[in-house]
Order: sequence, then C-alpha cells, then structure tokens
Amino acid sequence: DGGITQSPKYLFRKEGQNVTLSCEQNLNHDAMYWYRQDPGQGLRLIYYSQIVNDFQKGDIAEGYSVSREKKESFPLTVTSAQKNPTAFYLCASNPRDINQPQHFGDGTRLSIL
Amino acid sequence: DQQVKQNSPSLSVQEGRISILNCDYTNSMFDYFLWYKKYPAEGPTFLISISSIKDKNEDGRFTVFLNKSAKHLSLHIVPSQPGDSAVYFCAASERPGYALNFGKGTSLLVTP
Repeated sequence: DGGITQSPKYLFRKEGQNVTLSCEQNLNHDAMYWYRQDPGQGLRLIYYSQIVNDFQKGDIAEGYSVSREKKESFPLTVTSAQKNPTAFYLCASNPRDINQPQHFGDGTRLSIL
Repeated sequence: DQQVKQNSPSLSVQEGRISILNCDYTNSMFDYFLWYKKYPAEGPTFLISISSIKDKNEDGRFTVFLNKSAKHLSLHIVPSQPGDSAVYFCAASERPGYALNFGKGTSLLVTP
C-alpha cells in the first residue's frame, strides 16, 4: 500500500537532547513537508522540500533542521535550540504543480521528560 | 499573522441536518483551497478542494463554496452523520502542490 510512514508514534526527549523524527513515503511524490500542531492551533509549517537536496524554511523553522538526501525520506531533527518542542508533528507529501492534495502521515507526538 | 481564519472553534449539529463550516482568508494570492478532516492523534484526511476559477465543487455529501470577492469559503455537509464528528481544517495555497496555510480548525459534533 502506498502511503506516508512516520515513526515513532510517540517520542520522549530529555532537556538538551536532539531528536530525529522519521518520515518516509512510497508515493513517488516530489514535495514533502513538516508541520507542527499545538492544542487549539492549526498546522504550522516548519520546513518543506520541493525536490531532493533542496529544502526551504517555513513559518517556524527556528530550532529545527531537515535533510532531503532521498526522494522517499524527509527526516526532521528537533534540536536543543527549540525551546518548546512538545507538540504533534505531521509529515505530508504531494506531487508538484499538479492539482492534487497533500497526503499526511499519522504523526509523531513528542514530549519532554 | 494568520492568513487563514476559522472563527468558530466548535459547531454542534443534529444528525440529518446540514453542517456549515466557514473559513476566511486574507491573502489575495491564494489560488487553491482545501478542507481536511482530522481525528485526535491521526493525520488529517483530505476531503475536498476547489481552485479559484470555480465557485463550487461537490463530492457526495460534501460541497465547498468559494466567494473570492469576500475571501470566504464554506464547507457544507448534507446530511450530517455522527461519523462526521471531527475537527475540520481549512487550508489554502498560492498554487496546487505547494505549501499550505491552515486555519485553526472547527470541531464538529454531530449528535444522534
């Protein structure tokens, strides 16, 4: 089955640690995105990538980093510089320049110990 | 600054009636609009979209209306069913296939 896989489902981080969230898609989509959702809030864009080896900052990129070495994979690292990392993180993908919606993974909930 | 606004955090509707969810936007460059449905601890699921060249798009029980001059869109669900109870997000982008701007969501409760 084609889809977007995010792992792990739940993740705990100690203060001062970096942590990496995985996102893999087998839909052959060019573009991939990371969003963050906080309670009572909409989804806010962290980073996005339209093609391999290229990515752009979204609205709230501070304290996060990404890489896009393969078309299928777009991992997100939450660094110790992110002061409020507790949130629900969602990865999405879509083909570029085509009238098709973004598809989302099931998310990773990150909590600080 | 929030470019997509859903001013009603919650809505309660009786089963069988119409649910109307509203969304306003401020960026006149937005050209592509979508509605997503989301359950807790899951990713959003795409419902329906509309491009700015249209003013209405229908898919089964779901219809989206776009009023570009008012920068307003709405999602109509007819008839509403208990399984429709979820949070609904409005989203917009300047082009299809590009990053989305989301509203804060409206929590719909459909009661039997």
